[in-house]
Amino acid sequence: EIVLTQSPTTLSLSPGERATLSCRASQSVSKYLAWYQQKPGQAPRLLIYDASSRATGIPARFSGSGSGTDFTLTISSLEPEDFAVYYCQQRSNWPLTFGGGTRVEIK
Amino acid sequence: EVQMLESGGGLIQPGGSLRLSCAASGLTFSSSVMNWVRQAPGKGLEWVSSITPSDDNTYYADSVKGRFTISRDDSKNALYLQMNGLRAEDTALYYCVKHPWNLWGQGILVTVSS
Repeated sequence: EIVLTQSPTTLSLSPGERATLSCRASQSVSKYLAWYQQKPGQAPRLLIYDASSRATGIPARFSGSGSGTDFTLTISSLEPEDFAVYYCQQRSNWPLTFGGGTRVEIK
Repeated sequence: EVQMLESGGGLIQPGGSLRLSCAASGLTFSSSVMNWVRQAPGKGLEWVSSITPSDDNTYYADSVKGRFTISRDDSKNALYLQMNGLRAEDTALYYCVKHPWNLWGQGILVTVSS
């Protein structure tokens, strides 16, 4: 099973600041890494797939990068609605796995 | 409107069985890989199971293998999860998710408790 480790666990930032979230895989997942955003009481929303492709309707301030074992989700300038929990997911190998999540909170 | 709606959850005693259903509308269901994901209260996301089009292949997390069975009825645009031998650790909100993972249901709560 591929283990995904997200860091940091919590990120405290102010609106307008840049957020950088990390996801590290225990073995290579090639480009098959996705990012999701989840707000309280809501289902997760797909942000990024294949490491760097934005899903339909996702603002350009969200970007993904990386390949192999190290991936990054960047939010260039935080909007109030971006404070949420973010998960990475690998779709390279069965079983599919998720990271433990990074909470982006208002400082 | 494109949506997926889960049903069949509830409170069940340990060792019991439940069958979750997911009804899809406004979309083409038959050609898509379909998935179940769960989230225990206050915890992260856990992939549970996936099924390819035409039931060619099914996949399960080790935590549910041998107890849960995923199936689909493309004529009804429906996805199912038969859950047997339920345990307290199966307590979670269960989501159905359509590949490419951009469409999620609202989730259905399963609580396993005596």
